[in-house]
Amino acid sequence: KQEVTQIPAALSVPEGENLVLNCSFTDSAIYNLQWFRQDPGKGLTSLLLIQSSQREQTSGRLNASLDKSSGRSTLYIAASQPGDSATYLCAVRGWGNDMRFGAGTRLTVKP
Amino acid sequence: NAGVTQTPKFRVLKTGQSMTLLCAQDMNHEYMYWYRQDPGMGLRLIHYSVGEGTTAKGEVPDGYNVSRLKKQNFLLGLESAAPSQTSVYFCASSSTQGLMNTEAFFGQGTRLTVV
Repeated sequence: KQEVTQIPAALSVPEGENLVLNCSFTDSAIYNLQWFRQDPGKGLTSLLLIQSSQREQTSGRLNASLDKSSGRSTLYIAASQPGDSATYLCAVRGWGNDMRFGAGTRLTVKP
Repeated sequence: NAGVTQTPKFRVLKTGQSMTLLCAQDMNHEYMYWYRQDPGMGLRLIHYSVGEGTTAKGEVPDGYNVSRLKKQNFLLGLESAAPSQTSVYFCASSSTQGLMNTEAFFGQGTRLTVV
């Protein structure tokens, strides 16, 4: 059974800092991994999708990497802004097409 | 472009009542999912479907049933609601392009309270 863990659970940084969010999973036989953002009381917004054959994906100030063999993914946010404050969730899709989530990292970027 | 639409957005039930949550997607996606999210926790998979007429159990299926009679709709049923089922429910859908799974899209959620 796939277990997904996100560390840290919460993070507070001053504006402008570069930061890294971590996601680990126990079963390396994955189909893809997706990072989401969730604002309070809202749904999930997709940020980046990494296929199992890929090593990284980039979108603007966001870069996500995937190391399947070690069961890890990182989300790098460059030059953080107060508008980046949200909960960040990673989801791992297995070969059975079920999609499992970590508990998320709650990010606060202080002006 | 509606994407994934969940109905209703809010609902209050009494213990023992039944209800059905509807998820509709207009993107012709094969895969559909139902999750619940509780405070301080990530999303937990209840049931999912890999195509019309198919369903499969996720992490927390007990107390729920699902049906996928039409490709665009995925229904989540609570036969006898319990306070432990108070949660925010999210539906998602995704498709494939050749051998590649595409990104998942989520609805805005249904906030359910069981009293």
